[in-house]
Amino acid sequence: DGGITQSPKYLFRKEGQNVTLSCEQNLNHDAMYWYRQDPGQGLRLIYYSQIVNDFQKGDIAEGYSVSREKKESFPLTVTSAQKNPTAFYLCGSAGRLWGNTIYFGEGSWLTVV
Amino acid sequence: DQQVKQNSPSLSVQEGRISILNCDYTNSMFDYFLWYKKYPAEGPTFLISISSIKDKNEDGRFTVFLNKSAKHLSLHIVPSQPGDSAVYFCASTTGNQFYFGTGTSLTVIP
Repeated sequence: DGGITQSPKYLFRKEGQNVTLSCEQNLNHDAMYWYRQDPGQGLRLIYYSQIVNDFQKGDIAEGYSVSREKKESFPLTVTSAQKNPTAFYLCGSAGRLWGNTIYFGEGSWLTVV
Repeated sequence: DQQVKQNSPSLSVQEGRISILNCDYTNSMFDYFLWYKKYPAEGPTFLISISSIKDKNEDGRFTVFLNKSAKHLSLHIVPSQPGDSAVYFCASTTGNQFYFGTGTSLTVIP
């Protein structure tokens, strides 16, 4: 089935540790995105990539890093520099043509204790 | 600065009645608009979209209206069903980035 797979669904980490969230898509989409959602809030853009080996910072990129070595994959690393990492993380992908829709994975819950 | 705003955090509607969810935007460069439905701890699912060259788009029980002069769009759900209870996000795009509102939590009362 075509879609976006995020893993793991739930992740617990100790403060000070880096953690990497996986995002894989088989929709042949060029663009991929990472958003963060905090309770009662909307989706805030962390990073996005329009093409392999290129990515841009979103509104809240500090404390995060990404890579785009393959079209299908866009992993997000939450570093120890991120002050409030506990959140729900959403990965999305979209085509690059006008009028395209962004589709999302099931999300990953990260809890830092 | 929030470019897409949903000013009603919550809405309650009786089953069978109409639900109207509203969204305002500030960026006149936005040319494509989308609505998503989201359940807790799940990713948003795409519902319906509209381009800036139209003022209405229908898909079954869902209709989106766009008023460009007012920079306002709305989602109508008729008739509302208990399964429609979820958080609804509107989103806008210029092509490269997607901007989301803060969501409206819809509760449909049986």
